[in-house]
Formats: sequence, structure tokens, C-alpha cells
Amino acid sequence: QSVVTQPPSASGTPGQTVTISCSGSNSNIGDNTVDWYQHVPGTAPKLLIYKNNRRPSGVPDRFSGSKSGTSASLAISGLQSEDEADFYCATWDDTLHGPVFGGGTKLTVL
Amino acid sequence: ELQLVESGGGLVLPGRSLRLSCATSGFPFDDCPMHWVRRAPGKGLEWISGISWNSGTIRYVDAVKGRFTISRDNAKNSLYLQMNNLRPEDTAFYYCVKGQDDGWSVFDHWGQGILVTVSS
Repeated sequence: QSVVTQPPSASGTPGQTVTISCSGSNSNIGDNTVDWYQHVPGTAPKLLIYKNNRRPSGVPDRFSGSKSGTSASLAISGLQSEDEADFYCATWDDTLHGPVFGGGTKLTVL
Repeated sequence: ELQLVESGGGLVLPGRSLRLSCATSGFPFDDCPMHWVRRAPGKGLEWISGISWNSGTIRYVDAVKGRFTISRDNAKNSLYLQMNNLRPEDTAFYYCVKGQDDGWSVFDHWGQGILVTVSS
């Protein structure tokens, strides 16, 4: 059981906007930045958002991140079938003295 | 092109040892923190260990402390994970991960992963 919580699943139709939430506490999200990763099982995970809202080069601007207090969220606009994957938030935890991942959210494009 | 290639995985009996290696190229290895992250079947990503560029800072998740040892050889651009006293719950895909040089735990490039199966 992770100290950072995500909904286990999310879904949307092509073209829609989907938002995935990530909830933590003052010892992790509240005091540190949040990153987001996309993982299609069987492939290498990919960094989508880092330091709350920055996009690495090559990541489409359909992906955006935000953070407020002890929560963060990832928004995916203009949903495409190839966006179907598992999405993870990650942050540093001051109590555990290391990085922690959220439990992951499986995104289904209907 | 940046590459991270894991090797050394496989099937091992409980209580035995295994050493994973990660050969890297295409970036200044000796400038970057490096990590191992795993994903067990049916579960999510789990960070298990990280090492700073000069091996001065090393951290582990509690589940592997005392059993796993991370190390690096900057002359060979390689990262290692020595896994001792393996347990069935260590069964997972293990990923070699590059950390950002200005964000220790921002995982900006990942290997394809290698499967470790611990079973009798």
C-alpha cells in the first residue's frame, strides 16, 4: 500500500479530457515536487511531467500537470487510443527518505 | 542515442543470489544519479535503490535493505544490483533508470527491463 494514492482506473473517449489525481500528505507531495510516468507493460516507462508541471522534450502539450497542497493531477486532453497505459505519480517522501510511486491508474480509451 | 540495457536476470531459487547489470551509453554517466525500479506482476512501480554520481549517497527501500546492494563503475558506464537472499516477492521486472542531473529522483530515461523470477 503506497503512501501516495491514485484511483485504480480512469477512462475516456477519443478527444475527451481525462484527469488523474494523486493524493499524499505533508511529508511527501506537500513538501516536494511531483513527477508523472506512463507505462505500457512490456515497454520502458516514460517520463511525462517533472517538477509538477514541466514537460520533457518530445512529450506533447496534451499532457499537463499541476499540484496544490498535498495533491497533484495529470490532465490528458485530446485523448487518443495510443494513450492507453498505466500512469504513475511519484514524489519524494521525507519520512521514508526516498522516492515513492503512487499505486498507478490504468487508463482505458473507450 | 541514449541507451540503458539490463542483463543478468532469470529464474532463481528462494534464498539464492543474482547480480543485475546495466550497460549505458549516449550520456555522461559519471554526471548522473542512477536507480533501480521494479514492477511485480499485477502490481505498480516500486523504487528500490538509488546511487549518486560518485557513490557518495546510496539509498534503499526498506523491503530490500540488508539484502540488495547497488553499485556503479563510472569507468565502464555501468550500474549493478547485487541481490542476495532472494524471496518470491522479489519476482518482478527490474528497470535500470537514469536520474536527472538536477533532480536526484526524476527518472528521465528507463531501460526495457529484465525479468527476475524467484521460485522453487
